Amino acid sequence: GAVVSQHPSRVICKSGTSVKIECRSLDFQATTMFWYRQFPKQSLMLMATSNEGSKATYEQGVEKDKFLINHASLTLSTLTVTSAHPEDSSFYICSAPRAGGIQETQYFGPGTRLLVL
Amino acid sequence: GENVEQHPSTLSVQEGDSAVIKCTYSDSASNYFPWYKQELGKGPQLIIDIRSNVGEKKDQRIAVTLNKTAKHFSLHITETQPEDSAVYFCAASITGSQGNLIFGKGTKLSVKP
Repeated sequence: GAVVSQHPSRVICKSGTSVKIECRSLDFQATTMFWYRQFPKQSLMLMATSNEGSKATYEQGVEKDKFLINHASLTLSTLTVTSAHPEDSSFYICSAPRAGGIQETQYFGPGTRLLVL
Repeated sequence: GENVEQHPSTLSVQEGDSAVIKCTYSDSASNYFPWYKQELGKGPQLIIDIRSNVGEKKDQRIAVTLNKTAKHFSLHITETQPEDSAVYFCAASITGSQGNLIFGKGTKLSVKP
């Protein structure tokens, strides 16, 4: 079964509004989660690393004031797209690494489809 | 930083045939190589992974091989079925530090019945 969930699965909003996306690890704790963006027919591009208890780390070219990340607990990270515009329309996917002994596996959420009108 | 190249970008096979997708990576420190299957409108699903202390791993019809010296790894799917049709992504990362995954550009696999 799923080990990482996302909510909502899809959202349509008007230009200028803010949208919040939640990512939850279902049966494990994740001090780190990752947020990716995927445009149609393209690969996943890392946007930022969400760190529980500290500030997120953003990849080059990703505006931290536009994509607000809050890692509220060991099982929840949120991504808020502020003042969304049509070019922000994309598929947003989170992932969380799950440790199994000395090994670690990353699991992805089902994604959130954002359409900004 | 790490760079992952994936080939081919599209692959069409007949049902029952084998499919092979290849990836190369640049950072010799990478030690974890997962493969994900992504169906339309869904998140990536882990199908198999391999770590740098292993050269080959198999799970039923799926196998992955790793050549650390040449820095390349491959996904092998045998006896393909129409439901194998999807986009497959390879990735590389350095584990232990909860490092993020660097993805290849994906391969769209089509299995014709």
